[in-house]
Amino acid sequence: DTEVTQTPKHLVMGMTNKKSLKCEQHMGHRAMYWYKQKAKKPPELMFVYSYEKLSINESVPSRFSPECPNSSLLNLHLHALQPEDSALYLCASSQVPRETMNTEAFFGQGTRLTVV
Amino acid sequence: AQKITQTQPGMFVQEKEAVTLDCTYDTSDPSYGLFWYKQPSSGEMIFLIYQGSYDQQNATEGRYSLNFQKARKSANLVISASQLGDSAMYFCAMRESDDMRFGAGTRLTVKP
Repeated sequence: DTEVTQTPKHLVMGMTNKKSLKCEQHMGHRAMYWYKQKAKKPPELMFVYSYEKLSINESVPSRFSPECPNSSLLNLHLHALQPEDSALYLCASSQVPRETMNTEAFFGQGTRLTVV
Repeated sequence: AQKITQTQPGMFVQEKEAVTLDCTYDTSDPSYGLFWYKQPSSGEMIFLIYQGSYDQQNATEGRYSLNFQKARKSANLVISASQLGDSAMYFCAMRESDDMRFGAGTRLTVKP
């Protein structure tokens, strides 16, 4: 199983709503990532979890709150978002790099988020 | 901080011909990995090929090869015998530890 599953695939939310994005993998990967991708732009790193601990937070606004409850699951809690937060949110997982950086990241299909 | 540069916003290639997509990078870390991903219009990110900073030989995966020139800090992707299905966005990425970031991307269009 080399799959990263993201739900939901599409989400429309109002600026006062609270919603969560979910990401799941069963490959035994202990590094998990959230990226934000705007149209015609590259994925931008938001958060990285390594061994279920937050290792990188790219100064993301607090209206985005990540959570890694176990080694298979990664959530992104959304609250009071702005229209400019509309984007494709990609989750990825990989082995934690040790002696080698040869640890490709496997990506989910993404959640296409629209904030109205 | 790492930096990845892709200077070709768009490239065109004739079907069955080869094409090279450029990627340069900058890092002070001696240990890093370089990756190429393909992103079709559907949005999925598809891993193509990997090159490690200590690898002596250039990586190859089927029709994909990576022209790694460490001294120049470049990691260009070569696609041989282009197919119509190769039309997509191509991203170069670099990993340092668990930090993985992407270049701006190149949109490749294969002409019949």
